[in-house]
Amino acid sequence: QVQLIQSGGGVVEPGRSLRLSCAASGFDFSTYTMQWVRQAPGKGLEWVALIRWDGTHKFYADSVQGRFTVSRDNSKNTLFLQMSSLRPADTAVYFCARAPCGVDCPWGDHWGQGTLVTVSS
Amino acid sequence: NFMLTQPHSVSGSPGKTVTISCTRSSGSFASNLVQWYQLRPGSSPTTVIFENSHRPSGVPDRFSGSVDSSSLSASLTISGLKAEDEADYYCQSYDGSNQVFGGGTRLTVL
Repeated sequence: QVQLIQSGGGVVEPGRSLRLSCAASGFDFSTYTMQWVRQAPGKGLEWVALIRWDGTHKFYADSVQGRFTVSRDNSKNTLFLQMSSLRPADTAVYFCARAPCGVDCPWGDHWGQGTLVTVSS
Repeated sequence: NFMLTQPHSVSGSPGKTVTISCTRSSGSFASNLVQWYQLRPGSSPTTVIFENSHRPSGVPDRFSGSVDSSSLSASLTISGLKAEDEADYYCQSYDGSNQVFGGGTRLTVL
């Protein structure tokens, strides 16, 4: 069955960096668009980043553009989110998700368990 | 960019039917389809409806989705309410690669 196992969250000071990982299994990872979505404490869901199956097209929410980088290693079935210049407003639970329709019709069908990122001094 | 507007909360008694609405500020659900996600505290989202009205395998047929004739309003209907349905529900749609979530609706089962 489809599994997305996340790792890499934690507490980090403002301005520092952190990398999240999402290990996929149970499907052909290299043929699927993937994405990151977050939920800040007490808030709703917010889309963060999207990456095409081959890694050639990447898209970001305005709130993270220029600070976050989404990438993938299809040889290791793993999705990444490199977060830099972190701000307290980036504090959230981050979810990875498979996007079965592609970059032009993005939505998530399977989701990781979520990982908490806390940005605080 | 467009927005998706949902009611903050809805409630219903066990066995009853509730409907959650989602209104799109611009564009159309006819060409940019809507999804619905269930989110319980401490859990990851569960997709309950995709592409306006399709239900993933494993989701009970008590859950149904529709889009009205204007294609600007979508609805999630849950019939035969159960205590386990108590959760936050989010609609989501897109315009190309730009993806938007509604603000979420808290469903309380009385």
